Amino acid sequence: EPEVTQTPSHQVTQMGQEVILRCVPISNHLYFYWYRQILGQKVEFLVSFYNNEISEKSEIFDDQFSVERPDGSNFTLKIRSTKLEDSAMYFCASSVQGTSGNNEQFFGPGTRLTVL
Amino acid sequence: AQSVAQPEDQVNVAEGNPLTVKCTYSVSGNPYLFWYVQYPNRGLQFLLKYITGDNLVKGSYGFEAEFNKSQTSFHLKKPSALVSDSALYFCAVRDTGGSYIPTFGRGTSLIVHP
Repeated sequence: EPEVTQTPSHQVTQMGQEVILRCVPISNHLYFYWYRQILGQKVEFLVSFYNNEISEKSEIFDDQFSVERPDGSNFTLKIRSTKLEDSAMYFCASSVQGTSGNNEQFFGPGTRLTVL
Repeated sequence: AQSVAQPEDQVNVAEGNPLTVKCTYSVSGNPYLFWYVQYPNRGLQFLLKYITGDNLVKGSYGFEAEFNKSQTSFHLKKPSALVSDSALYFCAVRDTGGSYIPTFGRGTSLIVHP
């Protein structure tokens, strides 16, 4: 069964450093998402991406964040200058369709980001 | 605006007993409702969804959920729990009149004791 993959599984970085989290969505999916979950809190939406551009983003997704689909398979989340409060589990997800809203999303296993 | 609440951080149940994981929601229009499960070191896996039609929705691994519009609830149920059902369960809602991005709850940890 196809699945979303994410690398690395755990990333430790110093405050102020840039990090890039990588995801490979399911190959025939067209919509891609990033979510994060701070320990013990709810899963929060960051951004959605379709047709090589951001289609929706939350208030969390400020200028420190960017997303890119550099090739036909990878989908990346970049945090330019990490802050302590960026420490969280980051989930990538993909779906066949997005705007109809009734399609389930397929999630990757997550990348645990620890900012020291 | 759309929101979802999972009032229990943890649910404990003995193997073989029925289980219920609660979810309530708030939307301005009609809801699309989802349940996901997360096993340790894995991503969220889709269990089931309610879009329209029958209020009782059946999903993977013997789980089902009942949509109750008057109580704005979508509780997850299973008639007989297994130890292997122990995991983190997330409810999600999307308002059909709003964003297509679902809002997730905080998650409920289900622990099934042998």
